[in-house]
Amino acid sequence: DGGITQSPKYLFRKEGQNVTLSCEQNLNHDAMYWYRQDPGQGLRLIYYSQIVNDFQKGDIAEGYSVSREKKESFPLTVTSAQKNPTAFYLCASGTGQGFSPLHFGNGTRLTVT
Amino acid sequence: RKEVEQDPGPFNVPEGATVAFNCTYSNSASQSFFWYRQDCRKEPKLLMSVYSSGNEDGRFTAQLNRASQYISLLIRDSKLSDSATYLCVVNPRMDSSYKLIFGSGTRLLVRP
Repeated sequence: DGGITQSPKYLFRKEGQNVTLSCEQNLNHDAMYWYRQDPGQGLRLIYYSQIVNDFQKGDIAEGYSVSREKKESFPLTVTSAQKNPTAFYLCASGTGQGFSPLHFGNGTRLTVT
Repeated sequence: RKEVEQDPGPFNVPEGATVAFNCTYSNSASQSFFWYRQDCRKEPKLLMSVYSSGNEDGRFTAQLNRASQYISLLIRDSKLSDSATYLCVVNPRMDSSYKLIFGSGTRLLVRP
């Protein structure tokens, strides 16, 4: 079955450590996205990539980094520069066309103490 | 004014009830619209894309009112399993999906 997989589901880190969240898709989608969700708020875009080897900052990119070396993979690194990293992180993929919906992975819940 | 606004609820309804949610958007040039369902601590899952003529999928009906800039979701014969948060999503562009705007969601609780 085609889908989008995020790992791990839960992640705990100490403040000051970088951490990388994995996202893999086998839907053959060109576009991939990282969102952050905080309680009571809408999803906010961190980074997106419309094609391999290219990515763009979203609305809240500070303290995050990404890479897109393969079509299937779009890992997100939460760096120590991110001031409030504890959140639910969602990876999504899509065709990149405006009328097409996004498909989401099952999310990674990151807790930094 | 928020770009996409939803009543956070919760809407607390008995099984079998009909319930409707509205979502307003501020950008009159918005092109495509979606409703997602999100269960507690899970990822959003596409419920319906909203077409200009309105569309129906079983117990769920979505409508678009461009003049008043809102979309609606109607759920008939509510089931306990419909309890979730419903996210309204608006795309102001037709050529890409990186500008999707997500509402904060409307929470629905269906009671026995």
